[in-house]
Amino acid sequence: GENVEQHPSTLSVQEGDSAVIKCTYSDSASNYFPWYKQELGKRPQLIIDIRSNVGEKKDQRIAVTLNKTAKHFSLHITETQPEDSAVYFCAARARGGADGLTFGKGTHLIIQP
Amino acid sequence: GAVVSQHPSRVICKSGTSVKIECRSLDFQATTMFWYRQFPKKSLMLMATSNEGSKATYEQGVEKDKFLINHASLTLSTLTVTSAHPEDSSFYICSTQGLAATDTQYFGPGTRLTVL
Repeated sequence: GENVEQHPSTLSVQEGDSAVIKCTYSDSASNYFPWYKQELGKRPQLIIDIRSNVGEKKDQRIAVTLNKTAKHFSLHITETQPEDSAVYFCAARARGGADGLTFGKGTHLIIQP
Repeated sequence: GAVVSQHPSRVICKSGTSVKIECRSLDFQATTMFWYRQFPKKSLMLMATSNEGSKATYEQGVEKDKFLINHASLTLSTLTVTSAHPEDSSFYICSTQGLAATDTQYFGPGTRLTVL
C-alpha cells in the first residue's frame, strides 16, 4: 500500500519567515495530494491540495509543489504569522478516486514572535 | 467546503460497553464516507471506507467485528465500537466524499472516546 513520509516533525521559524514541509510517497498511482492543518483537539482543515496533472498551485501565502518523477511534494508558507502555528499533515490518495487518504506523520509548526 | 457533523463530540464509557458514533453530511449526498482514528500526538490512520448501501471496506489490521460500520443513507454513517477497551480510547474522525471521484474530502469535528 501507499506510504507517506513527512519531514520535519517539528519546525520552528521566526514570524515573517517562510516555512517548508516536505513529503514523499511510494505509490506512483497516487494522484491527489492534500495538505491539512490541525489545531489541538480540532478537526483537520484542508488548506490546499494538488492533483497529479499539476506541478504547482498557489493560494495567497500558501503554495504546494509536486514532483511526480521523484514522488515528492512540498508545502510552502510565506510571511508566516502566529496563527499559522499548528500541526500540518500531508496526505496522498492512491488506488482510485474513491479511496481514503494515507497521511504523513505530521509537522508541528511553531511560529516564534 | 462540505459541512460534516459528528455526534457525540466526547464520550466516556466503561470497559466492555459499546459506543455508537454518528457522522452526518449536512449539505450534500455522500456516497462514500471514511473513518479514521487518531491517537494523541499521532497521525490519522484510515480504518475503513463506508459505502452507502453496501458493506464497508476495512483496512488491514482493523477488526470488522469490533468496529461495525453502517452507511444506511447518503447522509449518515455510523461507527459502533463494540466491547470497548481502554486501548480503543482515541479520537475518531469521519470524512465525506461526494459523487465525483475527484472530490475533496472534508472532515467531521471528531469524537473523543475514553474507555475506563
